[in-house]
Amino acid sequence: ETGVTQTPRHLVMGMTNKKSLKCEQHLGHNAMYWYKQSAKKPLELMFVYSLEERVENNSVPSRFSPECPNSSHLFLHLHTLQPEDSALYLCASSLGIWNGYTFGSGTRLTVV
Amino acid sequence: GQNIDQPTEMTATEGAIVQINCTYQTSGFNGLFWYQQHAGEAPTFLSYNVLDGLEEKGRFSSFLSRSKGYSYLLLKELQMKDSASYLCAVRAFSGAGSYQLTFGKGTKLSVIP
Repeated sequence: ETGVTQTPRHLVMGMTNKKSLKCEQHLGHNAMYWYKQSAKKPLELMFVYSLEERVENNSVPSRFSPECPNSSHLFLHLHTLQPEDSALYLCASSLGIWNGYTFGSGTRLTVV
Repeated sequence: GQNIDQPTEMTATEGAIVQINCTYQTSGFNGLFWYQQHAGEAPTFLSYNVLDGLEEKGRFSSFLSRSKGYSYLLLKELQMKDSASYLCAVRAFSGAGSYQLTFGKGTKLSVIP
């Protein structure tokens, strides 16, 4: 365990479903991130939250909707996804946006 | 934008030394990180360089040359458990009032007996 917990570990969903990914950290970090990791591609930054405010949104399609209710929790709400959205979704946190990240183990998402 | 290059795969022998290179092109550079990722697991932090030179941490060392846009990760006394992907990541000022960490594609290292 890294201190950043992601649930579920695996998720299979249809293109018309709505689901949410959850990330939780109790490391006292104040910045949280969503990354997408696809096969043979680098980790792609999706969203950055600092002090519960979204500070970055890297041109992510609106079918991905993040939510950060407090500094310990981060959600990624999914709806009407496409098969190409199948990937490993990693959550990370840091103490300040300038420090190294602690990653969760990820949610392996398969869209069918 | 940023461009980060590292070899896709490398193979080395148990007990040997291996050097994984990373070159980058970026503006607003503010540090370079190396992460280790075992298959199906979270990336874990290995090292951080912001100034030129060598940082040593046990069997792992990382080097940075900012003028050349170049870094390497050196792994000594290789063990089978070192078989993993090694991710080079560059932090830069994003211009939107924050820093962004951009990752390379990773180098898959296979350690053989």
